[in-house]
Amino acid sequence: NAGVTQTPKFRILKIGQSMTLQCTQDMNHNYMYWYRQDPGMGLKLIYYSVGAGITDKGEVPNGYNVSRSTTEDFPLRLELAAPSQTSVYFCASRSRLAGADTQYFGPGTRLTVL
Amino acid sequence: AQSVSQHNHHVILSEAASLELGCNYSYGGTVNLFWYVQYPGQHLQLLLKYFSGDPLVKGIKGFEAEFIKSKFSFNLRKPSVQWSDTAEYFCALRDSNYQLIWGAGTKLIIKP
Repeated sequence: NAGVTQTPKFRILKIGQSMTLQCTQDMNHNYMYWYRQDPGMGLKLIYYSVGAGITDKGEVPNGYNVSRSTTEDFPLRLELAAPSQTSVYFCASRSRLAGADTQYFGPGTRLTVL
Repeated sequence: AQSVSQHNHHVILSEAASLELGCNYSYGGTVNLFWYVQYPGQHLQLLLKYFSGDPLVKGIKGFEAEFIKSKFSFNLRKPSVQWSDTAEYFCALRDSNYQLIWGAGTKLIIKP
């Protein structure tokens, strides 16, 4: 199993540009998450999904959108990039089985907005 | 408000030294706590977790953590660190919505 994969690994955007961060998991997990990590801060939840077709906002959703058309994929969209969105973005997934509380993470995407 | 605090942002130790990384939480509900680790160039992965029962929890690679309810703490320990323990360590608390609230992380550097 590849686990959770994310693309790209690095990206530089200009202010106002848009992009999609891709996230795919092959573990058939129902739950998927997008976090951002700023220097010296803990991970902050942007959006999450409990299954295909169902998404919900986390702590810091402004400036982002998500979709979940399949169990495997959970892309994160930045519509109008701003310098405040410079961060490292992590995608994670978790099984919905009882007691399956471990989140499995992708390698992260380092995004710089100039 | 619910929160997780990790006191040290950077820790530097020599090999064979003992390690203790602090984690304190603020939460009024049932406490479920985690330590995750990110080794250089690798994904974040689970080190150990506490849900209930024995407050001393053992994880992978010789790590353990002790849940002390009276101190609202869940400190991570290892009796003798190795160079390969160089990593960033995150403490996290699961809230009532099953979301994780994260500490800021501690970067640990082990000098060979």
